[in-house]
Amino acid sequence: ILNVEQSPQSLHVQEGDSTNFTCSFPSSNFYALHWYRWETAKSPEALFVMTLNGDEKKKGRISATLNTKEGYSYLYIKGSQPEDSATYLCAFIDTGGFKTIFGAGTRLFVKA
Amino acid sequence: DTGVSQDPRHKITKRGQNVTFRCDPISEHNRLYWYRQTLGQGPEFLTYFQNEAQLEKSRLLSDRFSAERPKGSFSTLEIQRTEQGDSAMYLCASSGGQGHAYEQYFGPGTRLTVT
Repeated sequence: ILNVEQSPQSLHVQEGDSTNFTCSFPSSNFYALHWYRWETAKSPEALFVMTLNGDEKKKGRISATLNTKEGYSYLYIKGSQPEDSATYLCAFIDTGGFKTIFGAGTRLFVKA
Repeated sequence: DTGVSQDPRHKITKRGQNVTFRCDPISEHNRLYWYRQTLGQGPEFLTYFQNEAQLEKSRLLSDRFSAERPKGSFSTLEIQRTEQGDSAMYLCASSGGQGHAYEQYFGPGTRLTVT
């Protein structure tokens, strides 16, 4: 059974704080890892697609790293803003099939 | 193209009734996914199509669930003899490109309530 774990479950920060979340996934049969942002009443939107061990991706104040050998990815947000408040989901895709296995997400609340 | 669309957005039904949801993917996308999402959880994989072929189906899906994608365009998800445990958000996503590394584009979801 493929298991994708995200921590923490929720996080409350002040505007301007930097923060990071963890996504843990199986270290074998890795194909790709996706990060999505899901704002309330909207659809999940892709942030990053990561495929290579050691990958680092950046989009504005948000960045992500990938370690496929040990099975984890970090998502970093620098200088959090209220508009960053959302649920951040990671999704693991293995080489064996077509399933996309999502973690339960990290719910971020940024207070102005 | 305005993205992935789903219809209806909300559905309330009585236990035992059948329901059908529709998903229209981004037109050039050959891959289509269905997920179910309940409160506090991430999207849970249900099934996957590449063009018109259903290539993967979760073992979590009972035989009350069926999905089709005729002609590799829109897809339908049918739930027969609905149960209260089927109450959830049903999400559809589509993806293009040659591999599964490509990001998925999600629709707004259909929220099902079974009374």
